[in-house]
Amino acid sequence: DSGVTQTPKHLITATGQRVTLRCSPRSGDLSVYWYQQSLDQGLQFLIQYYNGEERAKGNILERFSAQQFPDLHSELNLSSLELGDSALYFCASSVGTGSPYEQYFGPGTRLTVT
Amino acid sequence: GENVEQHPSTLSVQEGDSAVIKCTYSDSASNYFPWYKQELGKRPQLIIDIRSNVGEKKDQRIAVTLNKTAKHFSLHITETQPEDSAVYFCAASKDYGQNFVFGPGTRLSVLP
Repeated sequence: DSGVTQTPKHLITATGQRVTLRCSPRSGDLSVYWYQQSLDQGLQFLIQYYNGEERAKGNILERFSAQQFPDLHSELNLSSLELGDSALYFCASSVGTGSPYEQYFGPGTRLTVT
Repeated sequence: GENVEQHPSTLSVQEGDSAVIKCTYSDSASNYFPWYKQELGKRPQLIIDIRSNVGEKKDQRIAVTLNKTAKHFSLHITETQPEDSAVYFCAASKDYGQNFVFGPGTRLSVLP
């Protein structure tokens, strides 16, 4: 157990809908990262937050947005869902930024869009 | 932006043999290179990492080497065991921990 929690574990929804994925980082970690992993694919970095502020942006679609709250938990919002958005979404956390700190991954949320 | 290539995409070795996975990166400003192991249906877990000011790092049966000039780094697993079977991902990051770019992964199978 990495100490990073993600909810829900599974999510099934229809095209065009909107969902919210939640992540709670390890206690003391200030950075949260979001990744998308499609079936048998690698990890695509989406976005990073550090202490409530966006720090880095990867291949995140405009239909997707995220935020990190004062208690440091983070939410990833996916809207106007398409079949291709079906994937495993991982959240990871690390102590901070500006140093090579290890990322600890959560168990992931499996999103299925039908 | 950064691009990370990883080879081979699949690798089968006999138990007890060594396995080597190589990654190349494009951005010379990258300075942190972790390796993650992902077992089927599980989360990626860091197994070893290396910073740009170090050429080699070892942890028991696992080692990573970095060649900054050639912009490549490699994972070496010695005395492989069946439990080493997994997908291995390399990654590169600059600014020490921001904007990670992952390689496409290598599926390692250790045959008993």
